[in-house]
Parts: sequence; structure tokens; C-alpha cells
Amino acid sequence: QKEVEQDPGPLSVPEGAIVSLNCTYSNSAFQYFMWYRQYSRKGPELLMYTYSSGNKEDGRFTAQVDKSSKYISLFIRDSQPSDSATYLCASETGFQKLVFGTGTRLLVSP
Amino acid sequence: DSGVTQTPKHLITATGQRVTLRCSPRSGDLSVYWYQQSLDQGLQFLIQYYNGEERAKGNILERFSAQQFPDLHSELNLSSLELGDSALYFCASSALGTEGNEQFFGPGTRLTVL
Repeated sequence: QKEVEQDPGPLSVPEGAIVSLNCTYSNSAFQYFMWYRQYSRKGPELLMYTYSSGNKEDGRFTAQVDKSSKYISLFIRDSQPSDSATYLCASETGFQKLVFGTGTRLLVSP
Repeated sequence: DSGVTQTPKHLITATGQRVTLRCSPRSGDLSVYWYQQSLDQGLQFLIQYYNGEERAKGNILERFSAQQFPDLHSELNLSSLELGDSALYFCASSALGTEGNEQFFGPGTRLTVL
């Protein structure tokens, strides 16, 4: 079993929709949780960074962590075609070793 | 642009060969990380350096080695290359090497082994 599980998608939505991306993790020691966005053949770009449980909002993006259920979510409001990318969730073990999910490919159609 | 630079962008080589990938961290960042991204394994942590010293190791093969130089740039050396080593190799950097520091990724080097 992978430490961080993520549905690979693709997830197709129309422009303007609310997108929900989710991950589950198995290691109770994870304290830091991140969402990265990766466009095709580019480096991952850090979107959201949260510590422990709770919500964090940044513009159209909201990250949510529920440590009791080991569930990580990213919500995108008013999705745009430019949001089409692969979204990677990640959790941090000790010494900053990041463990990534496999990524969910999102397609937002105009 | 994350501020992390990687060279070369693309590398095509043959099995059995040796290559060196180079990374320059963001200005002021002391810690460098190397990751491998392949279609079947996803993004996997290889190794971390902090201010010239190895800090953590992940799923790095013995044929692979890395170092961080006094000017903080890092090199990843891959030897006795096999077809399965074809992948995207990313470097990331963070200000410190401590827990909770955000990591910023470079654009990657695409390695193709023929």
C-alpha cells in the first residue's frame, strides 16, 4: 500500500465548476501537507501548504486536512481552463522527505 | 519561475553510460533535494543535502550518487544507465533543511536512455 493514495483521474469539468481533489494517507506521523500543480513536462509548483488539521484558503483554492480520517482535499472554485494540470498531494515525513501521491489529472473545458 | 535552475533540459544517452545532472538552488536556500518522476512510480524522493552534507536518503540506487558543493549547487551522477532509468529528474530547494520548510522545484531534466 502506498503511503499517499490519489485517484489518477482524469477529472473533466466545465469552466466555472467547483473542483474537489482528494488524497488519503496512511502514516499517522505526517504533519505537513502540500498540494502541487504540475503542467505537462514542467516542474511541480507549490500551491498550498498546511500544517496538521484544518482549512487554509488562498484565492480560489482551499486546502483541507482531516487527520482523524487521514484525508486531504483541495477545492478549486470558479475553475478555469488554465487550471488544467496534474495536481499532486504530498505529505512530509521526518527530514523533509516528501511522499507524493500519483497525481490527479484535471481537465477544465471552456 | 521557482528560482531553481537545472541543466541540461534534455539528455539522451545509451545504456551503460554515465551522466551528470546539475542543479542551482534558489538564492539563499541551503538545502537541495533530488526526485525522480517516472510514469509507473510517480514522483519519488532520492536524496537531500543541506549545506554540503547529506541529510536524508530515499529510494536512491547504488549506481546513483549526488553531492552539494560549497557554492550550494548540486550534481546528481547516474552511472551504468539502464533503460528503466529514463525519467524526469527534479531538483528542489528549501531555505533550511528542517521540517516544515517549503520545497520549490526546478524545471527538471528529462533523461532518455536508449
